[in-house]
Order: sequence, then C-alpha cells, then structure tokens
Amino acid sequence: AQTVTQSQPEMSVQEAETVTLSCTYDTSESDYYLFWYKQPPSRQMILVIRQEAYKQQNATENRFSVNFQKAAKSFSLKISDSQLGDAAMYFCAYRSSDFGNEKLTFGTGTRLTIIP
Amino acid sequence: GAVVSQHPSRVICKSGTSVKIECRSLDFQATTMFWYRQFPKQSLMLMATSNEGSKATYEQGVEKDKFLINHASLTLSTLTVTSAHPEDSSFYICSAKTSGGSTDTQYFGPGTRLTVL
Repeated sequence: AQTVTQSQPEMSVQEAETVTLSCTYDTSESDYYLFWYKQPPSRQMILVIRQEAYKQQNATENRFSVNFQKAAKSFSLKISDSQLGDAAMYFCAYRSSDFGNEKLTFGTGTRLTIIP
Repeated sequence: GAVVSQHPSRVICKSGTSVKIECRSLDFQATTMFWYRQFPKQSLMLMATSNEGSKATYEQGVEKDKFLINHASLTLSTLTVTSAHPEDSSFYICSAKTSGGSTDTQYFGPGTRLTVL
C-alpha cells in the first residue's frame, strides 16, 4: 500500500518570504499522480498543484511550485512571496494511475502560519 | 468550473437517528465520487468510493451497513449515517471526479459537520 509522509506538523514564514513544505511517499508503482491540497479554516479542500510522475518537469502554478524527485520519492511544495491568505493546512496526496484505483492517500498535513 | 456542493453544512442529531448528507457536482458529471471522514486536527481518511449506478466500494474497517452510500445520478451521491452515535461525530467531506481524458483530479465539497448528541 502507498503511504504519504509529511514530517513537518507546523511551519511558519514571514509574509513575502519563501517557504518549502516537505512530502515523501512510498510506492512500488512507476506511474502515479501527486497533489498538494490546501485546507483553510473554512475546511474547503482546494487543489494547489498537481504533478504527473511521468513528467520530469516540475509543476508550477503562479507562486506555487514543486520539487519532484522521483528516485527519492520526494514531492516538496515551495510557496514564494507568501501571503496572509496562504495560511492553512496543506496536505500532500498520492493517487495511482491505475484505472479503477483512483482514491487519494493523504499525508497528515502541515499547518502553515504566515507572520505579518 | 468543477464545483462540488454538500448539504447540509452542519447537522446535529440525537443518538440513534439517521442522517443523510448530499454531495452534488454542480457543473460537471461525476462518474465517481468519494466520501472522506476527517477528525479534528487529522488528515482525511477515505471511507468509500461511489460509482454511478453501482454499489459503493468501502475501505477496510468501514461498516457498509452503517454508512449507506447511494450514487443515483451523475451529479448526486448521498451518504446516510444510520443509527448515529456520538463516536460518529466528525467532518464528512465528499469529492467528485470527472471521467475521461486527463481528468485525474478530485474536486472537493465544503464538508458537513455532524454532531451526534
């Protein structure tokens, strides 16, 4: 079974600075998807960024980018120019590419605090 | 696009009663919907996968007779917590996935907070 590990329960960053959230995973599959989701106090899960394992290029979405290291099974999220609205729980998630096995396996989350 | 709604957002019920939670995909057809449970300060745990027109697939340890799932149409799935007890109090979140193409992303509803007295 796949597992996702987020080793940082809490992180904080000064507004406008850059922060990196860590995620590692364990799988025997060669093709899969990885995601970062954000859960603000409203509890609404919001997709931040996604990465296909077969793509070597790291995904980028505006201020959010990932460092995907397939061999190391590492998938970190970098948030640049942090804003107060970035404060939330961040969950890393794994999904198999197998048709019919589409469930997401989540890490335990990292609570990100933005310091004004 | 890709909006998922849940109703109700909050529900309080007495022990022994049943509660139904609806999950709707508002602007797309969802062949697959997922139901998660999230305890305070914890991660999301998948309870079951719901496919339109077929029986739900439950994760190990989830009682299918207690958590009834019906995926009656391509835009609606319901979760019924039967004979609810205080230990069923939790935050329930659904997600929906479109079919075909590179549609590998799940879109989440806003969640339902269930409190069983």
